[in-house]
Amino acid sequence: DAKTTQPNSMESNEEEPVHLPCNHSTISGTDYIHWYRQLPSQGPEYVIHGLTSNVNNRMASLAIAEDRKSSTLILHRATLRDAAVYYCSRTSGNTPLVFGKGTRLSVIA
Amino acid sequence: DAMVIQNPRYQVTQFGKPVTLSCSQTLNHNVMYWYQQKSSQAPKLLFHYYDKDFNNEADTPDNFQSRRPNTSFCFLDIRSPGLGDAAMYLCATSRQGSYNEQFFGPGTRLTVL
Repeated sequence: DAKTTQPNSMESNEEEPVHLPCNHSTISGTDYIHWYRQLPSQGPEYVIHGLTSNVNNRMASLAIAEDRKSSTLILHRATLRDAAVYYCSRTSGNTPLVFGKGTRLSVIA
Repeated sequence: DAMVIQNPRYQVTQFGKPVTLSCSQTLNHNVMYWYQQKSSQAPKLLFHYYDKDFNNEADTPDNFQSRRPNTSFCFLDIRSPGLGDAAMYLCATSRQGSYNEQFFGPGTRLTVL
């Protein structure tokens, strides 16, 4: 049980920002929030993770709500190569990653 | 480049015929994972190792076994494959600790005839 909830699918226009939401209302204080994505015919790849503060890296930004019950993955300028299934997950201690159903992102040229 | 390698990429077996999938890593990570991914579904964790310490998920069928002879290699054995075991099998590695990134291999697609 991933204990996260995401929309099944979202659509974005190319070169526009995309905000992918995730609900994790039962999150505990030590749970990290992780985002992975899976491109067609590939294994999942790491995107970003965070604990409490917002995080930025070369791929995306992660905005974490103040109460930590939700988070948003932000792709600043979607490209066709960003079309993938995006998974939000939470882990703590030595608990391994468990994937929820994810959001299928379509990018329109 | 350091990576997670899975062989073969495609495997065909017959119903009931044992099959072994392999995974190797050059990352020197102490944690290794096996996931099963069926068509249009999310990856499902089967089991994982912390070093040689084996951890089985509660709902992983007994038909699935695993071996980790050393840090670099991990094997998934399916003793008697059924049609329902046809799937993509993904291997992943990480350092211990939930904040650490998992690195995934490209997967092995298993077909059961």
